[in-house]
Amino acid sequence: NAGVMQNPRHLVRRRGQEARLRCSPMKGHSHVYWYRQLPEEGLKFMVYLQKENIIDESGMPKERFSAEFPKEGPSILRIQQVVRGDSAAYFCASSDERTGSKPQHFGDGTRLSIL
Amino acid sequence: SQKIEQNSEALNIQEGKTATLTCNYTNYSPAYLQWYRQDPGRGPVFLLLIRENEKEKRKERLKVTFDTTLKQSLFHITASQPADSATYLCAPVNTGGFKTIFGAGTRLFVKA
Repeated sequence: NAGVMQNPRHLVRRRGQEARLRCSPMKGHSHVYWYRQLPEEGLKFMVYLQKENIIDESGMPKERFSAEFPKEGPSILRIQQVVRGDSAAYFCASSDERTGSKPQHFGDGTRLSIL
Repeated sequence: SQKIEQNSEALNIQEGKTATLTCNYTNYSPAYLQWYRQDPGRGPVFLLLIRENEKEKRKERLKVTFDTTLKQSLFHITASQPADSATYLCAPVNTGGFKTIFGAGTRLFVKA
């Protein structure tokens, strides 16, 4: 039973390019969360999606960032026109129901570096 | 605004001793509080969940307490081992909430 899979593990982009981060949740999980983590800092909530719907995107910048979780396929976090400040580790987590009494299962993240 | 505070300085202890990590929160009324472990370069791994009506929860060498009056949770690792060295994150969750807010974590080093 595979865990949460994120790819790529490392992504290097030049300023102005687009970054696409993928997350395949655990089998049977329909809830996906994206977090951002800077070195020596905690996880910052970005967005919560439930199959085909964005439930809460209050932690995601309104410009350049978007997320989707289609009926088929992985969840995608997309960053357009990347800037140096976007360099961070991006983690995806999934759960089989709305979090709270259930734990979240995390992937090992995508480390995004902007040149 | 909601705030979570964990020991900002790293905790260094000797193997075999009990490690105690603190999580304080403000402007929260969590129904649950979760603890995770994160190793360098890896995603967090769930350890324990405690409910607001539970004072204490145990799992093997781990013990978590939850004091809703003090707005604090304590995380204990007894008979600590070097393999316990990691960053430990706490995450209070409000009733009906889904936006889990994580503390910055406490870095634990267990010396052999």
